[in-house]
Amino acid sequence: KAGVTQTPRYLIKTRGQQVTLSCSPISGHRSVSWYQQTPGQGLQFLFEYFSETQRNKGNFPGRFSGRQFSNSRSEMNVSTLELGDSALYLCASSLESGGLLGTQYFGPGTRLLVL
Amino acid sequence: KNEVEQSPQNLTAQEGEFITINCSYSVGISALHWLQQHPGGGIVSLFMLSSGKKKHGRLIATINIQEKHSSLHITASHPRDSAVYICAVSSGDMRFGAGTRLTVKP
Repeated sequence: KAGVTQTPRYLIKTRGQQVTLSCSPISGHRSVSWYQQTPGQGLQFLFEYFSETQRNKGNFPGRFSGRQFSNSRSEMNVSTLELGDSALYLCASSLESGGLLGTQYFGPGTRLLVL
Repeated sequence: KNEVEQSPQNLTAQEGEFITINCSYSVGISALHWLQQHPGGGIVSLFMLSSGKKKHGRLIATINIQEKHSSLHITASHPRDSAVYICAVSSGDMRFGAGTRLTVKP
């Protein structure tokens, strides 16, 4: 089976713009989670989707949003980009309906640079 | 104080040594994850635990729910084990430790 794929892999944006990142989970996985990784804050949980519904949300401002489609593919959007949004954005999928309570399979990440 | 604390932050070992990385947490959890991240960013899930002990090859993970503590052990360490090891706890959301950077020298 193909692993978790994320597109694009690298992205450069300027402050104030918005960005949409895409994640395709492993076939059959219905839970998709998103994470932000920065050198200063480490890994932080953004949100988790299961069957097109957001089940869990981390402590991020409303500029960060996401959605999941009926084929389990997920997108996350960041509006009004700030310099501090520069980070590696990772998504992970899980087979178990428990989502975060199951083994997480991570994608390679999208590296976002905000100038 | 972070809700998930890992120790040590950095660890250098000689090939063949037995390695232990510790994780303590202060919140109620449903599961604990050990992750491995190699340079370049790729993350691999090593273990997901809710109780007891799991073993996979040279890696062993244990958890003590009452003491809110987990350990990751690597037996007969090898240079390819060099990576950052991250402890994460899940309970409604996911919270991460800062990671332990392991370097194994030949």
